[in-house]
Amino acid sequence: QVQLVQSGAEVKKPGASVKVSCKASGYTFIDYYIHWVRQAPGQGLEWMGCMKPKSGGTKNAQNFQGRVTMTGDTSISTVYMEMSSLRSDDTAVYFCARSVGYGQAFDYWGQGTLVIVSS
Amino acid sequence: YVLTQPPSVSVAPGQTANISCGGDNIGRKSVHWNQQKPGQAPVLVVYNDRDRPSGIPERFSGSNSGNTATLTISRVEAGDEAAYYCQVWESTSDHLWVFGGGTKLTVL
Repeated sequence: QVQLVQSGAEVKKPGASVKVSCKASGYTFIDYYIHWVRQAPGQGLEWMGCMKPKSGGTKNAQNFQGRVTMTGDTSISTVYMEMSSLRSDDTAVYFCARSVGYGQAFDYWGQGTLVIVSS
Repeated sequence: YVLTQPPSVSVAPGQTANISCGGDNIGRKSVHWNQQKPGQAPVLVVYNDRDRPSGIPERFSGSNSGNTATLTISRVEAGDEAAYYCQVWESTSDHLWVFGGGTKLTVL
């Protein structure tokens, strides 16, 4: 069965960086895009960007350009999302999700990773 | 591109819930709907306006025309209580994904 398993919760200080992983299983990893979506406490969903594991190509939403880097390791079917210069308002649950094409629906989601930014 | 959803919708068990998602000419885009229960990851319930993923009950259906897309849940059950988010790919400008603000469905 398809699974996206994310790394565990993180607590970071303002100005630090965080790297969240998303390990895929149950399907051909390079055939799907991996997206990152975050949800601040009590708020809605916000798309951050995506990666095409087959090529390594990425696209970030404007709000995250210059601060978010997505990378992948096809040998272990894992995508990473690293965010730098963390602020308190980056406190959120970060989800990965897959889609068969860039403009296609997200059919499976990871369980989410809570990132807390606090001094 | 902005998607507008009502913050909340309430319905009695067994009745029909309609959740709207407004956007400029949204009828020209493919709309997807995600269900999110508290403390859980979102789950896709309708994609491409009206299609259902495997395992989603037929009670979930969608439509999209003009400036409004609608998720319809027939014969609502207590287990349907959740937040619902519409989603579109904005392919005409910056090629990015947009979510609506979410609608909390309360089953009375």
